[in-house]
Amino acid sequence: KQEVTQIPAALSVPEGENLVLNCSFTDSAIYNLQWFRQDPGKGLTSLLLIQSSQREQTSGRLNASLDKSSGRSTLYIAASQPGDSATYLCAVLSYNTDKLIFGTGTRLQVFP
Amino acid sequence: ETGVTQSPTHLIKTRGQQVTLRCSSQSGHNTVSWYQQALGQGPQFIFQYYREEENGRGNFPPRFSGLQFPNYSSELNVNALELDDSALYLCASSLGAGPLNGYTFGSGTRLTVV
Repeated sequence: KQEVTQIPAALSVPEGENLVLNCSFTDSAIYNLQWFRQDPGKGLTSLLLIQSSQREQTSGRLNASLDKSSGRSTLYIAASQPGDSATYLCAVLSYNTDKLIFGTGTRLQVFP
Repeated sequence: ETGVTQSPTHLIKTRGQQVTLRCSSQSGHNTVSWYQQALGQGPQFIFQYYREEENGRGNFPPRFSGLQFPNYSSELNVNALELDDSALYLCASSLGAGPLNGYTFGSGTRLTVV
């Protein structure tokens, strides 16, 4: 059974810091891994999608890496801003399940 | 290209009542999935619809049911509401089960059962 864990559960940092959010999963038989952002009480906004054959994806100040064999992904946020404050969720799409399995998220607060 | 839209945004129901939530998928997407997100938790898979048929189901009782229409929009129905059904309900659309293009989520429906 696939399980997804995110560390840390919460993070509070001053503006300008570079951040690393961690995601681990127990079963490496995945199609892809997707990182989402969620503002309080809102839906999910897709940030980055990494296929199982890829090592990383980049979008602006965001970079996500995937090490499928070790069951790990990291989301790197460069030069953090207060507008980055949100909960960040990772989710994997496993073979033969057709459903996303989510972690419980990392709640990020960036203060001025 | 339009995104995923859900209605209503908020809903308050009484225990024992029935509720219907609606979702319009992103243009070009033929698969709709529903997720339940309790406060402070990650979303949990309820079920998925592809070509108007249920195509996978999570660990939810039969009082959670759904439909998909020819235009790929979808409904989630919950009968005999319980207090624990209070949650954010998220709809996601994809082309197929999502291996290539990932999932696009809507803004959710916040259901409160009192």
